[in-house]
Amino acid sequence: NAGVTQTPKFQVLKTGQSMTLQCAQDMNHEYMSWYRQDPGMGLRLIHYSVGAGITDQGEVPNGYNVSRSTTEDFPLRLLSAAPSQTSVYFCASSSGTSGGPAYEQYFGPGTRLTVT
Amino acid sequence: GQNIDQPTEMTATEGAIVQINCTYQTSGFNGLFWYQQHAGEAPTFLSYNVLDGLEEKGRFSSFLSRSKGYSYLLLKELQMKDSASYLCAVPNSGGYQKVTFGTGTKLQVIP
Repeated sequence: NAGVTQTPKFQVLKTGQSMTLQCAQDMNHEYMSWYRQDPGMGLRLIHYSVGAGITDQGEVPNGYNVSRSTTEDFPLRLLSAAPSQTSVYFCASSSGTSGGPAYEQYFGPGTRLTVT
Repeated sequence: GQNIDQPTEMTATEGAIVQINCTYQTSGFNGLFWYQQHAGEAPTFLSYNVLDGLEEKGRFSSFLSRSKGYSYLLLKELQMKDSASYLCAVPNSGGYQKVTFGTGTKLQVIP
């Protein structure tokens, strides 16, 4: 199992550009989440999903969109990048109701995004 | 809402014991997690407590007191590789899909 994979690892955008951060998991997990991590702020939840076709907002959703068309994939779209979105982005998954401890989250390696 | 407090930084000596504290406020308790995060890497799960008391896992133990809104992570026989940030986190009352993380405690282990 590859676990949780994220692409790209690094990205530089100009203000106003849009892009999609990819996240995929091969553990058949129901729950998937996107976090951003900034110095001194800890991990903050952007959006999450409890299954294919079901998404909801987290703590800091503005400027981001998500969709979940399959169990495996959970892309995060930046609509119009701003310097305030410079951060490290982590995708995570957990089993939810599909078996295994629902509380343990598995994190991808992260995407380091810089917006200039 | 949920609020989590942890010390920002700690330093401890190789071979020693260190205790990292976490206090939390939550509208509905649904357990408490500890994650380890090495610099430049993703967090990895360490422990989950939902009942009061101490849970031991090798060199790492985690303690919970629900009445006091308090938890600690105890690391014994410290090794240099234990230098990392330790994140305390609580899920919201609705379930595990929404989790609030503390800002983390950066532990430096010195020889």
